[in-house]
Amino acid sequence: DAGVTQSPTHLIKTRGQQVTLRCSPKSGHDTVSWYQQALGQGPQFIFQYYEEEERQRGNFPDRFSGHQFPNYSSELNVNALLLGDSALYLCASTRGPGGTDTQYFGPGTRLTVL
Amino acid sequence: SQQGEEDPQALSIQEGENATMNCSYKTSINNLQWYRQNSGRGLVHLILIRSNEREKHSGRLRVTLDTSKKSSSLLITASRAADTASYFCATDGDDYKLSFGAGTTVTVRA
Repeated sequence: DAGVTQSPTHLIKTRGQQVTLRCSPKSGHDTVSWYQQALGQGPQFIFQYYEEEERQRGNFPDRFSGHQFPNYSSELNVNALLLGDSALYLCASTRGPGGTDTQYFGPGTRLTVL
Repeated sequence: SQQGEEDPQALSIQEGENATMNCSYKTSINNLQWYRQNSGRGLVHLILIRSNEREKHSGRLRVTLDTSKKSSSLLITASRAADTASYFCATDGDDYKLSFGAGTTVTVRA
């Protein structure tokens, strides 16, 4: 049973560029959430997708957008990259948007913005 | 801002000793979860405790929850070198998103 997978593992971009990160949820899960983790900090919630719609959003600008596909996989897009966007981006999946089940995390994508 | 706050920020113990870390939070919750993270990699789920539970065990882990004090503790017994990691508590309220603290870094010395 495959867990949550993310790609790519590492990514280096320059300021102003755009980036797309990908996530495949754990088998049987239909809800995907994205988190940003800066160095030395805990993860910060970006947004959650369920039934191909953004259901909740954290305190992140519109430069951060996402998408969920019919097979429940998801993408995180960040436009006009800033140095401060350098972080580990984590994807988590669970069953249903209610949050009463455990959220399982992927290995993350390390984004470096130069 | 982060809902949870772990204490201490860092902990260094000898192999075989117990490690205890605490988490305090600010608003009412549905569940509280503990996660482990090794060297900036993905988070590994350790245990989930619901707001109507007071204590839960999983292997060498013991978690307590005191909703009146808005606090939780994680105890790791008989620690091993492989327990060296950062530990995070995460809470979810009515909006169901997880709110994390800054974590406790645990170092287990051989």
